[in-house]
Amino acid sequence: AQSVTQLDSQVPVFEEAPVELRCNYSSSVSVYLFWYVQYPNQGLQLLLKYLSGSTLVESINGFEAEFNKSQTSFHLRKPSVHISDTAEYFCAVRPTGGGNKLTFGTGTQLKVEL
Amino acid sequence: DTGVSQDPRHKITKRGQNVTFRCDPISEHNRLYWYRQTLGQGPEFLTYFQNEAQLEKSRLLSDRFSAERPKGSFSTLEIQRTEQGDSAMYLCASSLGGETYNEQFFGPGTRLTVL
Repeated sequence: AQSVTQLDSQVPVFEEAPVELRCNYSSSVSVYLFWYVQYPNQGLQLLLKYLSGSTLVESINGFEAEFNKSQTSFHLRKPSVHISDTAEYFCAVRPTGGGNKLTFGTGTQLKVEL
Repeated sequence: DTGVSQDPRHKITKRGQNVTFRCDPISEHNRLYWYRQTLGQGPEFLTYFQNEAQLEKSRLLSDRFSAERPKGSFSTLEIQRTEQGDSAMYLCASSLGGETYNEQFFGPGTRLTVL
C-alpha cells in the first residue's frame, strides 16, 4: 500500500516570492510521482510527473519538483509565484509495476497575495 | 469540449434517497476511474474499469454503491439509501490502456450533498 503526506494544509505567500510545497510518500514498491493542481471550480489537472530518468522535473508554467528517493520526497517549488498560481495542489503516487489507482495526499492550498 | 464530462455537477438529496451520476470519458480512452473527495481530503480511489469490465474496487465502495460501464463508453455511479457521510465530490477520470504509464484526465466532478 502507498500513502502520501502533505504536511502543509495552507501556504500563504506574497506575489513574486518563492514557494515550496512539501510532499513525502511511503511505499513498499517503486512508484511514479505526480503533482496535480485544482483551480477554483475546475477539475484536477496534471502539473508534472516523475516516471524515470532525471530526478528534477519541470512544468510549463515554472514549477519544478525533485524526486529524492532516500528521503522519499517530491517537493514542489517555484522561484516566483503569481496571483494566478492560487489553487490547491495535490501530490500523488502510483505503483510502477501495475495497478492504476492514484493515491493522493490531502492537498495544500496555495494562496498568493499581493 | 473533448474532455471528461460529468453530470450533474451538483446534486442535493435527502437521506435515504438513491442518486445516480454519469461520466463520459474522452472518447478513445478505454480506462475509466471513479474517485471520491471529501472536504479537506485528497481524492480517494473507488473503482476502475477497463472497457466494460470492472477490474478493481476499493473497500470504500460499500454495498450501497454500484458502478457500471455497460458498453465500455460512459459510466454510471449509483448510491442507494444515501447517508450524510456520502456527501462529497465524486470525480471521474479516464485514460488510455496498456502496460506503460498513461495520464489520467479528470472531469469537473459531481458535488453531492445529502441532507
